[in-house]
Amino acid sequence: DAGVTQSPTHLIKTRGQHVTLRCSPISGHKSVSWYQQVLGQGPQFIFQYYEKEERGRGNFPDRFSARQFPNYSSELNVNALLLGDSALYLCASSRRLDQALQSGANVLTFGAGSRLTVL
Amino acid sequence: RKEVEQDPGPFNVPEGATVAFNCTYSNSASQSFFWYRQDCRKEPKLLMSVYSSGNEDGRFTAQLNRASQYISLLIRDSKLSDSATYLCVVNMFSGGYNKLIFGAGTRLAVHP
Repeated sequence: DAGVTQSPTHLIKTRGQHVTLRCSPISGHKSVSWYQQVLGQGPQFIFQYYEKEERGRGNFPDRFSARQFPNYSSELNVNALLLGDSALYLCASSRRLDQALQSGANVLTFGAGSRLTVL
Repeated sequence: RKEVEQDPGPFNVPEGATVAFNCTYSNSASQSFFWYRQDCRKEPKLLMSVYSSGNEDGRFTAQLNRASQYISLLIRDSKLSDSATYLCVVNMFSGGYNKLIFGAGTRLAVHP
């Protein structure tokens, strides 16, 4: 079975541009989360989507938006890019939303990430 | 104060050493706890969950003290392949969704 797949793997943008990152969850997983990891820090929660609806949002500006499609894949959009948006953007999927994550039953699995550089 | 705090390291240890990582978290409502491992420029991967009774997986032992809001990871008989960053993670399940809160990570370098 394929894991969580993300595209593109690397991209370079300039300030003020817009970027769209894509994610396909593990087959059977209905929940997709997005995290931002700046160099030297742990990942930070951006969004969680389930059944095409936003279910949770972290402390990120409105320039960040996302959506989930009927096949459970997801896109993360970032407008008006700033230098500080340079980071590894991680998508993660889990099977269920209605229970807390726990090993074995409902774990969060990450994709390899999309590394964004803003110049 | 950060929600999850870890010693950033790096911990430089010889092969075969025992090394311990500590972590504290601020929100007593946190519901589940994990250690993730992240290799350089790769995604985090689940190493193990952490249970109140303590749990072991081969050379790795995790402990949780809810009263002190403290989590630990012990690695025995370190291997070169254990070199990585270890992320302490707490999960908040609230408002109908899961939110993982990561520490900044502790870097481990195992040398021959």
